[in-house]
This record gives sequence, structure tokens and C-alpha cells, in this order.
Amino acid sequence: GQNIDQPTEMTATEGAIVQINCTYQTSGFNGLFWYQQHAGEAPTFLSYNVLDGLEEKGRFSSFLSRSKGYSYLLLKELQMKDSASYLCAVHSNYQLIWGAGTKLIIKP
Amino acid sequence: DGGITQSPKYLFRKEGQNVTLSCEQNLNHDAMYWYRQDPGQGLRLIYYSQIVNDFQKGDIAEGYSVSREKKESFPLTVTSAQKNPTAFYLCASSLGQGLPHRNSPLHFGNGTRLTVT
Repeated sequence: GQNIDQPTEMTATEGAIVQINCTYQTSGFNGLFWYQQHAGEAPTFLSYNVLDGLEEKGRFSSFLSRSKGYSYLLLKELQMKDSASYLCAVHSNYQLIWGAGTKLIIKP
Repeated sequence: DGGITQSPKYLFRKEGQNVTLSCEQNLNHDAMYWYRQDPGQGLRLIYYSQIVNDFQKGDIAEGYSVSREKKESFPLTVTSAQKNPTAFYLCASSLGQGLPHRNSPLHFGNGTRLTVT
């Protein structure tokens, strides 16, 4: 079967750094997406990794290891507005497979 | 500003009634998608359309129907045959006809929360 695992919920402090992990077992791999979704709103695109390594985009970075079936999203200098769910999705054999998302709670 | 509009945001229906969820985009995107989001689960694909007048079933198409008569519009009908219709429904679009990628990620609407009692 095809499976994507993410922690259900994480808590972090404003101004700190947090790493949200995503592990996947899929029959194929063409790329991995990260999306941010505030409660009751549209998911918004954060990043797309195809090759191994770290890609940085402002306060957010995304890492991929294809051999380990592993990715993480790194959020730096956390702000209260970063409180949201973070969705991982793998592009595998002409379909997108979604993880259940990680709810990130930021405390002052 | 371009975007995807889903309406209404909240919808309530009695069991046994069909209901249609609206999705309109002005991004000039070729492909459009309907997803269902339930607590504790990943997004599940209901239907998708890569071109006008053509659409394909996703993983959970039973009890749903769609049409794509115009590029801008992709309405979803939840029929009485859908056993558990209460959910958050997300419409999305992407630029090209192939699967989304870095230069053509999915753009989502703000969703419609359907409650059937």
C-alpha cells in the first residue's frame, strides 16, 4: 500500500524553530509537496522537492531524502500566524497521496 | 485578483437530498479537482478534470457527480447515494493538464463545509 505519516500535533514557542517530519512509503516518487492550511481555509503551497537536499525559502525550508523516504519542513523564527496545519503530499505514479497533516500550535 | 471561489462556505441539507457545491476559477487553469477532507485523514480525491467536457473519477467518486461545461467552472453534486456526505469539500485547480508540480502547484478554494442530518 501507499502511506504517508506525519505527527498529528506539535507545539512550539514563538520565536523558536520547529521541524515537522513526513515519512512516506509509495510505489513511485516524482516529488513531494508541503502545504499550509489555517483552520477552515484553503491549503496554500509552500514548497516542492524533487531532488535530495535542503531548499530554503525565507523562514521556511524543506528537506528531502529519497533513499530514506523522508522529508521535513523547518520553520524558523516562529510567529503566531504560523499556527496552522501542515500537509505533506507525495506525487506518485500520476497521483497525489496526502498525509493527514500536522497541526502546529504556537505558544507565546 | 485571480483565485478560486467556492460557495457557499457552509451548507446544510437533509438526508436524501442532492446538493450541488459551486467552484469557479479565474486563473485560466486547465485542470480542476475536488477533494474531501475529513478529520485525521489526508485529502481524498473525488473527481478531476483536465480539460473542458472531460472528467475522471478519483479514489472516492461513488455518490458524487461533476460536470465541466466551462473552463472556469467545476460544480460537484453530492447525491443521496453518498453514505457519509458530511465533510469539508475543497476545490482546486492547476495550470497544466498534467499532474501538479513546482511550477504548477494546486491552488485551492476556501472550501465548503457540508452538514447532512
